[in-house]
Amino acid sequence: DTVMTQTPLSLSVTPGQPASISCKSSQSLLHTNGKTFLYWYLQRPGQSPQLLIYEVSNRFSGVPDRFSGSGSGTEFTLKISRVEAEDVGLYYCMQNLQLPPTFGQGTKVEIK
Amino acid sequence: QVQLVQSGAEVKKPGASMKVSCKASGYSFSNYGITWVRQAPGQGLEWMGWISTYNGNANYAQKLQGRVTMTTDTSTNTVYMELRSLRSDDTAVYYCARRFGDYVWGSWFDPWGQGTLVTVSS
Repeated sequence: DTVMTQTPLSLSVTPGQPASISCKSSQSLLHTNGKTFLYWYLQRPGQSPQLLIYEVSNRFSGVPDRFSGSGSGTEFTLKISRVEAEDVGLYYCMQNLQLPPTFGQGTKVEIK
Repeated sequence: QVQLVQSGAEVKKPGASMKVSCKASGYSFSNYGITWVRQAPGQGLEWMGWISTYNGNANYAQKLQGRVTMTTDTSTNTVYMELRSLRSDDTAVYYCARRFGDYVWGSWFDPWGQGTLVTVSS
């Protein structure tokens, strides 16, 4: 299985400041079709996960533009340009280049 | 709006079976698959498998092969996930989610159901 490793595991951010989460995969997530199958999810406290970013850098419908994804191959980053109170929660990266889809351990984002 | 509503919490004894339902609304049911993901207490997310609501074909996580079965009922827009021979480490919140994508690669999941807590305890 592809192992997904996130850093840091927790992050405390002042509102209005940026935040960055790294995700590394144990193998390249680049498909022969040219797409890279890396996704980001946010699980707010007490809620179900929701999709933020698909295929590395595409914001899902309704996701604020303060969220951005980047990266290639095995190294990826989720950035929040200006953290807001509603951004608190657990952030997970996920790969689906091959079965099984696997998730990172999660990064807990808190507000200072 | 697109919504997935799951059945309620369950308490099961070791060795028993569980069956969680996931009722979809707000979209064309057969156009999207359903995936199941579980989350043990305080732990991360674990993919269990997915099922095509079009033809009923399913892929399961290797570690659950032989214990899990996913089925679909197009008459009620409902997907079921059954897990047998329950153990204490099956205690988790079980989520269903709509699956975008038709191949084994390149799928993403949204929205997710509200989750169903299943507790396995003697």
